[in-house]
Amino acid sequence: KNQVEQSPQSLIILEGKNCTLQCNYTVSPFSNLRWYKQDTGRGPVSLTIMTFSENTKSNGRYTATLDADTKQSSLHITASQLSDSASYICVVSAGGGNKLTFGTGTQLKVEL
Amino acid sequence: NAGVTQTPKFRVLKTGQSMTLLCAQDMNHEYMYWYRQDPGMGLRLIHYSVGEGTTAKGEVPDGYNVSRLKKQNFLLGLESAAPSQTSVYFCASSYLTGAKNIQYFGAGTRLSVL
Repeated sequence: KNQVEQSPQSLIILEGKNCTLQCNYTVSPFSNLRWYKQDTGRGPVSLTIMTFSENTKSNGRYTATLDADTKQSSLHITASQLSDSASYICVVSAGGGNKLTFGTGTQLKVEL
Repeated sequence: NAGVTQTPKFRVLKTGQSMTLLCAQDMNHEYMYWYRQDPGMGLRLIHYSVGEGTTAKGEVPDGYNVSRLKKQNFLLGLESAAPSQTSVYFCASSYLTGAKNIQYFGAGTRLSVL
């Protein structure tokens, strides 16, 4: 069964600090891995998509890494802002790429 | 820039009642999806469509029906609502399939079944 596990479940950091969120997956055959940001009461918004051959992808202050050998990904947030407070969801696509397996998310809170 | 619009935003039903959730996208996307999001679980695919007039079952299709009569609209129906269908429902659409398939999500419909 395809599974995506994220850690930590929740995280509180001070504004301006960096943080790293983790994602482990058991999905076969692997197609791509995505990170989404979901603000409270809103739908998820795509941050990055990485295929098998890509091991790093950046989007502003967000940098995602992928290790396809160990089936792990991380999302690093630099110089956090209050607006980064959200749930960050790791999503892995198998096979043709149309069906996604979603993690349960890491709830990040950035405080002053 | 409307993107993906879901109506209604909130709804409370009694067990056994029926309702239809509407999803509309203005990006001319071929693919549309309905998900549900429950506490402690990742989003799960209910049904999806790869084009006008087509629908297919996802991971948790039981108790739901869908229709895609127009390319821009994807309807999710609950014929006889049950408390287990209390959830937040998200619609999404995408232009492509495969590795470059970016799904754009609506803001969600929060449904409570009493």
